[in-house]
Amino acid sequence: AQSVTQPDIHITVSEGASLELRCNYSYGATPYLFWYVQSPGQGLQLLLKYFSGDTLVQGIKGFEAEFKRSQSSFNLRKPSVHWSDAAEYFCAVGAWNAGKSTFGDGTTLTVKP
Amino acid sequence: DVKVTQSSRYLVKRTGEKVFLECVQDMDHENMFWYRQDPGLGLRLIYFSYDVKMKEKGDIPEGYSVSREKKERFSLILESASTNQTSMYLCASSLISNSNQPQHFGDGTRLSIL
Repeated sequence: AQSVTQPDIHITVSEGASLELRCNYSYGATPYLFWYVQSPGQGLQLLLKYFSGDTLVQGIKGFEAEFKRSQSSFNLRKPSVHWSDAAEYFCAVGAWNAGKSTFGDGTTLTVKP
Repeated sequence: DVKVTQSSRYLVKRTGEKVFLECVQDMDHENMFWYRQDPGLGLRLIYFSYDVKMKEKGDIPEGYSVSREKKERFSLILESASTNQTSMYLCASSLISNSNQPQHFGDGTRLSIL
């Protein structure tokens, strides 16, 4: 069975600082990996996805993520955080031919002025 | 852009009532999902539908049922609402394909059972 672990429940960074959110997955084959963001009072929005190919994936809003098979990780990064990035972030993993994904428990990001 | 619309943003119901949560998507997606979201528990899949009249149980189906009579509409039904079903409910949809497509989410329904 597939699973996702987001080790950090809550992260606080200063505006302008760099950000890395961790995601570890468990899956027997090549996974399909996603990062979503949820702003307060809203649904989830896709930030980026990895299916195959280049292990460094660019997404919207200046985010990127790197797939590391040897570490079973798919960490999300941003070089300079803006106050509007404060939100909850979810990592998800899916099988190649299945419609379902398994979501992590989420990481809440707080941005200090 | 894909639009997933949930009929209510906020809903208050009483214990024992039958509750209907409605979700409509406008992009002809085959897959539709219902999740509940609780603090510290992330998203938990309640039910999943990959075609009209087809459904599959998710991780926490107890106390819930679903209906998909038309491709664009997926309804979640609480047969007899209980206080432990107070939660945020999220609907999502995605394309079916030979790969795993990202899901598109509605804004959620915050349901309170009194």
